[in-house]
Amino acid sequence: QVQLQESGPGLVKPSETLSLTCTVSGGSISDYYWSWIRQPPGKGLEWIAYVHYSGSTNYNPSLRSRVTVSVDTSKNQFSLNLISVTAADTAVYYCARDKQQLARQAFDIWGQGTMVTVSS
Amino acid sequence: DIVMTQSPDSLAVSLGERATINCKSSQSVLYSPNNKNYLAWYQQKPGQPPKLLLYWASTRESGVPDRFSCSGSGTDFTLTISSLQAEDVAVYYCQQYYTTPFTFGPGTKVDIK
Repeated sequence: QVQLQESGPGLVKPSETLSLTCTVSGGSISDYYWSWIRQPPGKGLEWIAYVHYSGSTNYNPSLRSRVTVSVDTSKNQFSLNLISVTAADTAVYYCARDKQQLARQAFDIWGQGTMVTVSS
Repeated sequence: DIVMTQSPDSLAVSLGERATINCKSSQSVLYSPNNKNYLAWYQQKPGQPPKLLLYWASTRESGVPDRFSCSGSGTDFTLTISSLQAEDVAVYYCQQYYTTPFTFGPGTKVDIK
């Protein structure tokens, strides 16, 4: 079955760039929409952005000026870059897949999440 | 943005009893052309990612016990756990996927009384 695995640094300095990759295994990245979602410690969930295997993207306006998501179909991966991070960006970052091969779906498959701390 | 609210913030229910969680959206998530509510429910246990329970408001994900159900349409929804089991202790989130930015409710923590 399809599995997702986030990877990237667990510690990022303030003002620097947070970069994460999600590797899709057990299936193809093609035909689906893929999202990044984060959860600050002890808090709720915030959708960050999605990317389609075709490369089309959609961003949360609250983060749009600092976020870029991209897809690499040859590696079956998609990525998140968040620039100019502050302590408020400290969170568990999840990657997730839309349930069906269409836009606007629930998220049926999630990675285990990776904790990213912003601190000097 | 569509704001999602949930009530209560937390509840404690005896084993075998019913648990009810309310979710309200600031605007309708019912898409008239297909008559579907773009609403999902997730269960999150400590240290784990959220798990999809229900989508299109009331369609159970594969493998989800039928004690989980959802009623409602438009802006008001209710998740019901008909007979609470020990393994149901978790935080439950509703989420709208009607429009971006997709948004989640703040969560409701369910414990055993």
